[in-house]
Parts: sequence; C-alpha cells; structure tokens
Amino acid sequence: QVQLAESGGGVVQPGRSLRLSCAASGFTFSRYDLHWVRQAPGRGLEWVAVISSNGANKYYTDSVKGRFTISSDYSKNTLYLQMNSLRAEDTAVYYCARDLETRYPGSYGYWGQGTLVTVSS
Amino acid sequence: SSELTQDPAVSVALGQTVRITCQGDSLRRYYASWYQQKPGQAPVLVIYGKNNRPSGIPDRFSGSSSGNTASFTITGAQAEDEADYYCNSRDSSGNYYVFGTGTKVTVL
Repeated sequence: QVQLAESGGGVVQPGRSLRLSCAASGFTFSRYDLHWVRQAPGRGLEWVAVISSNGANKYYTDSVKGRFTISSDYSKNTLYLQMNSLRAEDTAVYYCARDLETRYPGSYGYWGQGTLVTVSS
Repeated sequence: SSELTQDPAVSVALGQTVRITCQGDSLRRYYASWYQQKPGQAPVLVIYGKNNRPSGIPDRFSGSSSGNTASFTITGAQAEDEADYYCNSRDSSGNYYVFGTGTKVTVL
C-alpha cells in the first residue's frame, strides 16, 4: 500500500536551515508529482511546493521562493524539502502528499503523518 | 497565484443537508478537490474531479461546480462529519496549487 513518511522536523532558530525528508513506498516513485503542504498551528492548509514526476519542473508558493528547494532522490524513493533562512512564520506541520491518480493533479489522495517545524529563538 | 474563498463556518442539524462553497477564478478552468480534516489528523480526500469519491468515502458526500464556484454537499450529515473542510485546485496558470480558506462544519 502507498505510504509516505516525513521526518526531519524540529526546533530551529530564525535564519537557520532544516531539511525535511519524505520516504515513499508502495508505488512507482517516478510516476507521480509530489507536493509539500503545510499547516501553521490553528491555521488552514497551505500548498508549499511541487516537483514533477521526472524532477524537471519545480514550483513554489511565493512566500518560500528563493528560500526553499524541493528535490527527489529516485534511488531512495525519497522527497526532500530544503528550507533555508527560516522565519517564525514558517512554523507549521509539513506534510508530503501524492495525487490519488495522475490524471487528477492536485487531488491528494495520500498524505504522510506530518512533521512539525518550529522556528523560534 | 490565485485565491480560493470559503465561508469560515457552517452548522447543520443531524441528518440534514449542508452545502459548502469555494470561489475562485481558477475554478472556471479546473475542478476543485475537497478534504476533510479532523483535529490532530492529516487531511483526507473526499471529493475529486467532477464528482468522484475515493474508495471508502460515504456517498452522502458529493461535489459540483458552476462558473467560478465549486460546491461540496453532505446529504444527511452525521456526527462524525463534524470537521474542517478545505477545497483546493490549481491556480489559473496550472503550475501552482492553492487551498481554500477552510470551512468548519458543526453538526448540531
């Protein structure tokens, strides 16, 4: 069965960096676009970034452009989110997510359990 | 980027019908998906495409779309349907994605 498992969250000071990982299993990793979605405490869901199935295309929400980098390691079936220059407003639970079907982009039928990132001095 | 707007909160009596709307320019071109989220849990996809339900999602959940508005309906609301509901879609460029502001559904 499809499984997504995030790791790498924690407490980090403003301006520092953190790398999140999402280990994927149960499906052909190279066939699907993969996304990061976050949720600040008590707030709504926010789409963060997407990487295309072949890794050629990457898009980011405006607030993280130039600071975050999404990438995939196809040998490890793992998705990453490198987060630099972290700000207090980046504090959130970060989820990786996969489309239910490739013909319905953005319909996230699979989610990880989330990993909490807290940016605080 | 674009925005998707939802009413912050709605309430429904047990067994009655409630409809949630999601408005945004990109919905003229792309379908919305709908998610249910309960406290402390990851979101769950409940509607996608024109009106498709993933396996295991009750048929009391349905979706529709007209113009710039997508709608999600619970017909015969149950106590376990009390949750936050979010729509999402692509933005008008098709490259970016956006979530709605979320609607808290209370079952009375």
